[in-house]
Amino acid sequence: GAVVSQHPSRVICKSGTSVKIECRSLDFQATTMFWYRQFPKQSLMLMATSNEGSKATYEQGVEKDKFLINHASLTLSTLTVTSAHPEDSSFYICSARAYNDRALHNEQFFGPGTRLTVL
Amino acid sequence: GESVGLHLPTLSVQEGDNSIINCAYSNSASDYFIWYKQESGKGPQFIIDIRSNMDKRQGQRVTVLLNKTVKHLSLQIAATQPGDSAVYFCAEKRNTGFQKLVFGTGTRLLVSP
Repeated sequence: GAVVSQHPSRVICKSGTSVKIECRSLDFQATTMFWYRQFPKQSLMLMATSNEGSKATYEQGVEKDKFLINHASLTLSTLTVTSAHPEDSSFYICSARAYNDRALHNEQFFGPGTRLTVL
Repeated sequence: GESVGLHLPTLSVQEGDNSIINCAYSNSASDYFIWYKQESGKGPQFIIDIRSNMDKRQGQRVTVLLNKTVKHLSLQIAATQPGDSAVYFCAEKRNTGFQKLVFGTGTRLLVSP
């Protein structure tokens, strides 16, 4: 149990285009999902926190108009990188947490990540 | 500012040795710490966690030690295997708002056969 998937696993796009990344909790309902960005040989940096049915909370320095987050259901959150540029190339990782689920102990479960390359 | 950091960026050990990965944290208000393993091109994988009211917790081949006096956390891996080669992160759960995780800088563990 507690599996989180991401799609796509890899994406290559041209500069100026938009890319959507999906994060799904496969066997539990995630009231909260987190989006992280990880540059090579660096740690995970939290970008934003999304709660189902409400607006995402962005970390300081993260442009909310560039990184659009939608958490429309209890099993799906999407991150859209708008007008992507080469500096947006990174490894994007989501995590999901189920509240009020004793079996899952309110832990964060991580997806496998999405490698974005912007040419 | 507040941070969670690691002492050693790279640790090289021989197969069968015991490994110790260290982490320093600065937020004394954090009440929960987690160690993650990340293999290349994959997401973090939960290894073990510990609450601030504990000093030690053991899992299968892994032990986490917490020293709140000096704000230090360590992960001990017994009988290290080549499959343990990865980057290890400590993470601190801030007990505010959405209880987000703050990750340390990571230590790469290289296990030679």
